[in-house]
Amino acid sequence: EVQLLESGGGLVQPGGSLRLSCAASRFTFSSYAVSWVRQAPGKGLEWVSTINGGGDNTYYADSVKGRFTISRDNSKNTLYLQMNSLRAEDTALYYCAKVAAAGTYWYFDLWGRGTLVTVSS
Amino acid sequence: DIVMTQSPDSLAASLGERATINCKSSQSVLYRSNNKNYLAWYQQKPGQPPRLLIYWASTRESGVPDRFSGSGSGTDFTLTISSLQAEDVGVYYCQQYYTTRPYTFGQGTKLEIK
Repeated sequence: EVQLLESGGGLVQPGGSLRLSCAASRFTFSSYAVSWVRQAPGKGLEWVSTINGGGDNTYYADSVKGRFTISRDNSKNTLYLQMNSLRAEDTALYYCAKVAAAGTYWYFDLWGRGTLVTVSS
Repeated sequence: DIVMTQSPDSLAASLGERATINCKSSQSVLYRSNNKNYLAWYQQKPGQPPRLLIYWASTRESGVPDRFSGSGSGTDFTLTISSLQAEDVGVYYCQQYYTTRPYTFGQGTKLEIK
């Protein structure tokens, strides 16, 4: 089954760091851009970051620019999100999502189940 | 940034009824060179990740029941459920991918059974 599986979430203090992972299976991972999208408790969807298939183009929401770093290891079919200087407002369920068509930045046709990040003292 | 605004914020309809959700973008998401609207709809059931329903404003994703349909162009779009079923309860989001830095979503419309 084609799937994405996130891990690495947890409870972290304000100012702390966390690294999320997203393992992809059953598709040619390196051909597709992938993104992180988050959802604060009881709130809507917020795009966080995108990386292209080759890993050499990255994009960030203003709210995380300079604090978060997206990367990927295509040999391991894995996407990462390094989150530094975490704030309470970063508390959310973090989803990884795959773009539908290779080589594009279109809509998302596959989502993981998410990993919960809680920033609190 | 393109702002996506959905209406209503919540909606209650009876089983078998038609349900309509609107989405308005702050600027056109119609790409003139290919005449495509860069607009998608997602369904999120409680405790689940979003699921793609519609892309290019009106193309149904594989496996999505044909009671779901999308329409509209430019800045105004509609998701219609022709005959509401119990399993359609959830939150529905529109998303533009005309500009992907940033991608933007509507605030969501919560659909309940009356």
